[in-house]
Amino acid sequence: AQSVTQLGSHVSVSEGALVLLRCNYSSSVPPYLFWYVQYPNQGLQLLLKYTSAATLVKGINGFEAEFKKSETSFHLTKPSAHMSDAAEYFCAVKPTGGFKTIFGAGTRLFVKA
Amino acid sequence: KAGVTQTPRYLIKTRGQQVTLSCSPISGHRSVSWYQQTPGQGLQFLFEYFSETQRNKGNFPGRFSGRQFSNSRSEMNVSTLELGDSALYLCASSLTAGAEETQYFGPGTRLLVL
Repeated sequence: AQSVTQLGSHVSVSEGALVLLRCNYSSSVPPYLFWYVQYPNQGLQLLLKYTSAATLVKGINGFEAEFKKSETSFHLTKPSAHMSDAAEYFCAVKPTGGFKTIFGAGTRLFVKA
Repeated sequence: KAGVTQTPRYLIKTRGQQVTLSCSPISGHRSVSWYQQTPGQGLQFLFEYFSETQRNKGNFPGRFSGRQFSNSRSEMNVSTLELGDSALYLCASSLTAGAEETQYFGPGTRLLVL
């Protein structure tokens, strides 16, 4: 069965520092992978998605993620954190040919001034 | 283009009542999925509809049901509400039901069961 593990329910960084949010998935074949962001009292917004076209995926707001098949990982990074990046981030997986999107537990990102 | 809209945004019900939530997808989108979000269980898939047909259902009791209309608008219904049904219910739409399709989420309906 597909599953997604996000390491760290809370991550705190200083403004201007590197953001690294970790995501590992379990799947027998590479699935489609997504990162979403959720601001308080809002729905989820897609940051980026991996659909096997390229292993390094660039998304919105300066975020990017690298698909590493050997590590079954899809970590999200941003070179320089901004206060507006404070939110909850969800990694999600959808098997090729599948219907159901499976979400990780989420990582809340805090950005310190 | 207008985004996904959900009504109502907030709702308070008492145990035993039933509730109907509505979702209007982005114009042209034919697939609608529903999720329940709670602090304890996170985001859990409820069901997905495409062209008025339920394609997949999550692991929820039969009290949870849904439907999709010919204009792609969708409703979900929860009967005999329990305290544990208190959650944020999110609807997402996509152009088709393909696995690679981007889902666009609405702001959610926050349900509180007393």
